[in-house]
Amino acid sequence: DTGVSQDPRHKITKRGQNVTFRCDPISEHNRLYWYRQTLGQGPEFLTYFQNEAQLEKSRLLSDRFSAERPKGSFSTLEIQRTEQGDSAMYLCASSLGQGMLISGNTIYFGEGSWLTVV
Amino acid sequence: GNSVTQMEGPVTLSEEAFLTINCTYTATGYPSLFWYVQYPGEGLQLLLKATKADDKGSNKGFEATYRKETTSFHLEKGSVQVSDSAVYFCALSSTGNQFYFGTGTSLTVIP
Repeated sequence: DTGVSQDPRHKITKRGQNVTFRCDPISEHNRLYWYRQTLGQGPEFLTYFQNEAQLEKSRLLSDRFSAERPKGSFSTLEIQRTEQGDSAMYLCASSLGQGMLISGNTIYFGEGSWLTVV
Repeated sequence: GNSVTQMEGPVTLSEEAFLTINCTYTATGYPSLFWYVQYPGEGLQLLLKATKADDKGSNKGFEATYRKETTSFHLEKGSVQVSDSAVYFCALSSTGNQFYFGTGTSLTVIP
């Protein structure tokens, strides 16, 4: 399977604990995105990498959230001191960017990582 | 700013019925428009896209036409099947580095 893969698929954690999600994008894709999706809503943008550089961060990404893509390949999203409001599905996506002003790039999603904070 | 407004669901149709899911957008620049589909417990899959005005995206019997004059990208299918039951998301990308999604429309097709 050469699609976007995410791990773990499901995580249940106690409030206050830290969690980390991993995303492996499609191998030749230089762009990587993190989105959050809650029940009944569309995905909300969190952050975006071009290679190893984090180029955009949403205001949704509080200081408890940090994302890295150290070698321009896989990425991790860490949530510190989790809160019940963090319960959601965290989606990773990747694309082959062909320029900052070209809007036709398709992004390909992984199957998501479900987080439940109890 | 950029945003997508999507027809609210849920939508329930009988098999072989005609489907329309409305989507309108506001955007800066010249966006590309997308429809993604999400099956239960899974991530989003690209269904179709259109990158400029008057383009028609199509896939698996679904179609959508990029209408700049009405800022719309309505999804249609002439004859739905039970296997089309899913949540459908309209989305736009104006520069390729951020996508904006609608809230999704849940479709249930009954035999």
